Amino acid sequence: AQRVTQPEKLLSVFKGAPVELKCNYSYSGSPELFWYVQYSRQRLQLLLRHISRESIKGFTADLNKGETSFHLKKPFAQEEDSAMYYCALSGRAGGFKTIFGAGTRLFVKA
Amino acid sequence: KAGVTQTPRYLIKTRGQQVTLSCSPISGHRSVSWYQQTPGQGLQFLFEYFSETQRNKGNFPGRFSGRQFSNSRSEMNVSTLELGDSALYLCASSQGTDGNTIYFGEGSWLTVV
Repeated sequence: AQRVTQPEKLLSVFKGAPVELKCNYSYSGSPELFWYVQYSRQRLQLLLRHISRESIKGFTADLNKGETSFHLKKPFAQEEDSAMYYCALSGRAGGFKTIFGAGTRLFVKA
Repeated sequence: KAGVTQTPRYLIKTRGQQVTLSCSPISGHRSVSWYQQTPGQGLQFLFEYFSETQRNKGNFPGRFSGRQFSNSRSEMNVSTLELGDSALYLCASSQGTDGNTIYFGEGSWLTVV
């Protein structure tokens, strides 16, 4: 079965501190993995995707197939990073639908 | 190009009524997915349409249905509304093939009283 697990509902860090949002997945095959973000009063939007291997707004995510994880990291959190973050996956084995985790609310304190 | 557009943005319905929500995808996108977002349950997948056919379905009761038209626009319908159906309903579109990014609309806020 396809599943995305984000164990933390809320993560609170101080500005300038490192941040890691955890994501584990269960999937039969090789999924494509994503992080989506929802800032206050904005629509849900893509932050980054595994296949691009980019760093967006200072965030990176590394796929660990052995641990089936796709954690999101940023070395120095900023107040504007406060948002809701969703890990997601999709792929051929799942009929191309995108499945989301429950989300982690990141709060960056001044 | 224009983003995903959802109408109406806000609506209030009474228990037992039915509601229809509309979604216009990004031009050229053939896949439209619907999600229910609530504070307690997060983003729950409702169903996905691709080229007018329902390709995927989530674990929602039969009161939730949808369709897609030849121009890729989609509607979802909820019949016999219950209080628990109060939520933000999000539509997302994509090209619908392997590993595509999906693009979300702003959502339709449904309140059932």
